[in-house]
Amino acid sequence: DIVMTQSPLSLPVTPGEPASISCRSSQSLLRSNGYNYLDWYLQKPGQSPQVLIFLGSNRASGVPDRFSGSGSGSDFTLKISRVEAEDVGIYFCMQVQQAPRTFGQGTKVEIK
Amino acid sequence: QVQLQESGPGLVKPSETLSLTCTVSGGSISGDYWTWVRQPPGMGLEWIAYINYNGDTNYNPSIKSRGTISVDTSNNQFSLRLTSVTAADTATYYCARLLEWRLPRGGHYHYMDVWGRGTTVTVSS
Repeated sequence: DIVMTQSPLSLPVTPGEPASISCRSSQSLLRSNGYNYLDWYLQKPGQSPQVLIFLGSNRASGVPDRFSGSGSGSDFTLKISRVEAEDVGIYFCMQVQQAPRTFGQGTKVEIK
Repeated sequence: QVQLQESGPGLVKPSETLSLTCTVSGGSISGDYWTWVRQPPGMGLEWIAYINYNGDTNYNPSIKSRGTISVDTSNNQFSLRLTSVTAADTATYYCARLLEWRLPRGGHYHYMDVWGRGTTVTVSS
């Protein structure tokens, strides 16, 4: 299985400031078609996960443009340009390159 | 707007079979891919299985052939059956739709765009 490693695992943030989460995969997620097979999900407290980013950098419908995904191969980043209070929760990356799909451990984002 | 709702027993005894159902409302179950994901208490997410509109299935080897995912188009539901459960199967189980995204240069990609609220299953005698 592809192992997904996120860092940091805990991220205290200040509203209005930027935040960044790293996700590394044990194998490349870049396919010959030029796409990176990686998603980002956010699980807000007490809720089910919701998709933020698919194919490494595509924002899902309805996701605010303060969220962006970047990276290629085995090294990816989720950035929040200006954190808002509603962004707290656990962020997961997930690879879709190879079955079975596997998730990172999660990064818990909290307001300082 | 498509909505998903899981239903299940809540409590299952070890070695017994867990049966979960996901009811799809606001849209047809036909023509899409559907999946199950679980989350043990206080832990991360684990993908379990998916089924597509052709009935093709794919399972996480971690469930060691104990799982069966199926679709009931007449009731707009899909289900997960997990046999020989142990305490390790205790988790919140989520159903989700895998939305198809057509790639500009051909092919497609699927990501989980709609999730149910989850149903908690405890395996205990």
